[in-house]
Amino acid sequence: EAQVTQNPRYLITVTGKKLTVTCSQNMNHEYMSWYRQDPGLGLRQIYYSMNVEVTDKGDVPEGYKVSRKEKRNFPLILESPSPNQTSLYFCASSLVSVDTIEAFFGQGTRLTVV
Amino acid sequence: AQSVAQPEDQVNVAEGNPLTVKCTYSVSGNPYLFWYVQYPNRGLQFLLKYITGDNLVKGSYGFEAEFNKSQTSFHLKKPSALVSDSALYFCAVRGPTGFQKLVFGTGTRLLVSP
Repeated sequence: EAQVTQNPRYLITVTGKKLTVTCSQNMNHEYMSWYRQDPGLGLRQIYYSMNVEVTDKGDVPEGYKVSRKEKRNFPLILESPSPNQTSLYFCASSLVSVDTIEAFFGQGTRLTVV
Repeated sequence: AQSVAQPEDQVNVAEGNPLTVKCTYSVSGNPYLFWYVQYPNRGLQFLLKYITGDNLVKGSYGFEAEFNKSQTSFHLKKPSALVSDSALYFCAVRGPTGFQKLVFGTGTRLLVSP
C-alpha cells in the first residue's frame, strides 16, 4: 500500500531534550516536506527536499533540522525543543511531475513540549 | 509569493443541500490548485486538483471545484451534502515554478447537519 509513515504519532517531551520524528514513504517520491498545523494558521511549511541531499527552508524553519540521506526517509529533528514547538506535524511527499503533483500526507505527529 | 485565503472558518449546511467552500489565491503565473480534506485524528487526504484544461474539475467523494481565473478563485462544491462530509477542508496552491512550496489556507470546517 502506498503510504507516508510518521513516527511517533504522539510525543510528550520536556524543553531542551532532543528528539527526532521520522518520516518514510514507499512511493519513490523525489519531493518530501514537513508542515506544522496550528489552529487558525493552517499548515505552514518547515523544510522541504527536492531529492536526496537537497533540502531547503520553508516558511518556519527556526528550531528545526532535517536530513535527506535516502530517498524514502526525511526525519525532522528538534535539537532543543521549546513549548512554542508544541504542534501537530505532518510529513508529505510527491513526485516532481506536473501530472502527478499532488502530495500524500502522513497521519501526523502530535508533539507536546512542556 | 503565493498565498491562499479561505474566508470562512466554518460552513454549516443541511444534509441533502448543496455546499460551497470558498477559496481565493494569489500567485504569479498559472497556478496549480488543490483541495484536501482532514478528518479528525487523520492526515490530509487529496480531493482534487486543477492543473490546466477545464475549469470544472471533479474529484473524490462527489466533490468538484470551479477554477475562475478572473476572480482568482477555486471554490469547492458538492451538489448534495452528506453528514459524513463533515471535516476540515484546506485549499492549497503551488506556483508554476514552485514545486518546493505548497501553500495552504487556514482551513474551513464544514458541518453537515442531519
